[in-house]
Amino acid sequence: QQPVQSPQAVILREGEDAVINCSSSKALYSVHWYRQKHGEAPVFLMILLKGGEQKGHEKISASFNEKKQQSSLYLTASQLSYSGTYFCGTEYHAGGTSYGKLTFGQGTILTVHP
Amino acid sequence: EADIYQTPRYLVIGTGKKITLECSQTMGHDKMYWYQQDPGMELHLIHYSYGVNSTEKGDLSSESTVSRIRTEHFPLTLESARPSHTSQYLCASSEGARNEKLFFGSGTQLSVL
Repeated sequence: QQPVQSPQAVILREGEDAVINCSSSKALYSVHWYRQKHGEAPVFLMILLKGGEQKGHEKISASFNEKKQQSSLYLTASQLSYSGTYFCGTEYHAGGTSYGKLTFGQGTILTVHP
Repeated sequence: EADIYQTPRYLVIGTGKKITLECSQTMGHDKMYWYQQDPGMELHLIHYSYGVNSTEKGDLSSESTVSRIRTEHFPLTLESARPSHTSQYLCASSEGARNEKLFFGSGTQLSVL
């Protein structure tokens, strides 16, 4: 069952902030975040492995609330280069041969204008 | 950064043809994956492999087949292409350890007429 991302689309001006949410109806083991620009391959941003963990990547950070089965991606002081579609990928199983299999959300389209 | 290659980049083909989409990686990764993505939509896992001679079907049912005879090579084959197979196919790989990021290829955009 795929995770649900919200919002579906965001339009920002340079310097503004945005939050993208990823929610699951099943218990999560890990959450990956990727960004895909039009016509290009998805590019890895970060992985969150356990509840309450926060990680950062330049001005992009994320949190993982294991209890709420939710992860949020925070984009601070957005730049034009942040434009693209953001996908969360979730891993549900804690072990066995299913590790590494990601189920992706439907994506959030982020557009940053000058 | 990523050394994972897909060919062809674009393929337009008629119904009923047999096609093979190539995917190769030079990173020595054990795990490889095929995802299918329609325009503006999410990625769906259709095949994965944890090593040589290991292949499994993903969450989305697909009429395609895959093989993994060499670590670096993970081709996807459609025996008889149909218009419903029109989509983008993305290949990815990751190291054998747990919780490793996926490296994606540039994808093959397949159009079946």
